[in-house]
Amino acid sequence: NAGVMQNPRHLVRRRGQEARLRCSPMKGHSHVYWYRQLPEEGLKFMVYLQKENIIDESGMPKERFSAEFPKEGPSILRIQQVVRGDSAAYFCASSPLLRYEQYFGPGTRLTVT
Amino acid sequence: ELKVEQNPLFLSMQEGKNYTIYCNYSTTSDRLYWYRQDPGKSLESLFVLLSNGAVKQEGRLMASLDTKARLSTLHITAAVHDLSATYFCAVDIKGTEYGNKLVFGAGTILRVKS
Repeated sequence: NAGVMQNPRHLVRRRGQEARLRCSPMKGHSHVYWYRQLPEEGLKFMVYLQKENIIDESGMPKERFSAEFPKEGPSILRIQQVVRGDSAAYFCASSPLLRYEQYFGPGTRLTVT
Repeated sequence: ELKVEQNPLFLSMQEGKNYTIYCNYSTTSDRLYWYRQDPGKSLESLFVLLSNGAVKQEGRLMASLDTKARLSTLHITAAVHDLSATYFCAVDIKGTEYGNKLVFGAGTILRVKS
């Protein structure tokens, strides 16, 4: 059973470009969480999704950030018009229905130049 | 708002010594988690503590939970170099019946010196 997969693992974008981060949950898991880790800091919750539904986006910046988890395919975290402050590691986690433990992917390290 | 505080934030210790990392949280929560992160890597789950008085041990690490004091500890016994990493505690906030989001502490950077 493959773990949570994220791609790309490293992403470099110039200021003003768009970044798309992908997350494929573990097989059988229907819930996806996105967290951001700024340098030298802990992880901060961004958004929690089920298939075709955003359950909780209380940690998402109000502008430029969006997330989706379509019926088919991976969950996508999209950052428009990236700025240097978006440089961070973005981790995705998944969990099965009605279970609490989250399993983390390897992360995508975004660098904005 | 749930706050999670860890201390110390940085810990340098000699091999063979014992030490404890503390994790305080501000409001009632159902579960407490300890994770390990190596530089540039993802989070590895160490322990999940589910109830007051819970104690779990794995190798040289032992975690405990006191829900009344809202305190968890991660005790390191006879440290070895391989334990050098960043350790996070996290507490979950009950969301919907479908799942919970995690609130993380800032992390404790542990360096074990030979």
